[in-house]
Amino acid sequence: QSALTQPASVSGSPGQSITISCTGTSSDVGTYNLVSWYQHHPGKVPKFMIYEGSKRPSGVSNRFSGSKSGNTASLTISGLQAEDEADYYCCSYAGSSIPYVFGTGTKVTVL
Amino acid sequence: EVQLVESGGGLVQPGGSLRLSCAASGFTFSNYTIHWVRQAPGKGLEYVSAISSSGDSTYYANSVKGRFTISRDNSKNTLYLQMGSLRAEDMAVYYCARAADCASISCYDLVAVGGGMDVWGQGTTVTVSS
Repeated sequence: QSALTQPASVSGSPGQSITISCTGTSSDVGTYNLVSWYQHHPGKVPKFMIYEGSKRPSGVSNRFSGSKSGNTASLTISGLQAEDEADYYCCSYAGSSIPYVFGTGTKVTVL
Repeated sequence: EVQLVESGGGLVQPGGSLRLSCAASGFTFSNYTIHWVRQAPGKGLEYVSAISSSGDSTYYANSVKGRFTISRDNSKNTLYLQMGSLRAEDMAVYYCARAADCASISCYDLVAVGGGMDVWGQGTTVTVSS
């Protein structure tokens, strides 16, 4: 199972919106609306941001939203803030034989 | 506070063995599937292994199959990853993470149903070098 494809980097100015794409295949993202997203500040604990494609866990800002179209899932961060600067990973369920596959990761930079 | 704390990482020679532990607190450990995820230096996250809440079902990525063994002791609220025949490419920070699914369904024999991982430990570093 290959890793899901994410852009290596995305940047934006404070207050802007950015979108991170996560492209998989018909074996994972395309079949299951079960993509989760994680925020990872280097050296820190990864944080659970989105699950089942678009749902936010309790405590996660509504500036973070998820969506999916075909084989591509997306994470949008609106009202970009300095604290959003981090690495972001998507992760898709891929069936009982290969439960999860992660994306390649995207470094978000706040200009 | 819901918490996972990994330990057991360190320096090991190629071909050597190491056992990682993941101690859980603040929740009913025996109800939850737990995953292992690793991050090699300068690389992204890689899904490694998982074990159902009962311990009856397990999963291993192809990259570790036959070399790593996942287990758990629900009486001690602790997860283990026995790592053998270690290679340079196993060098990484290893995280244990709780399956979010299990808050709403029985994970007795389920490795995953797609709900993601809601609680992560701080990670333990494995260095493979001679």
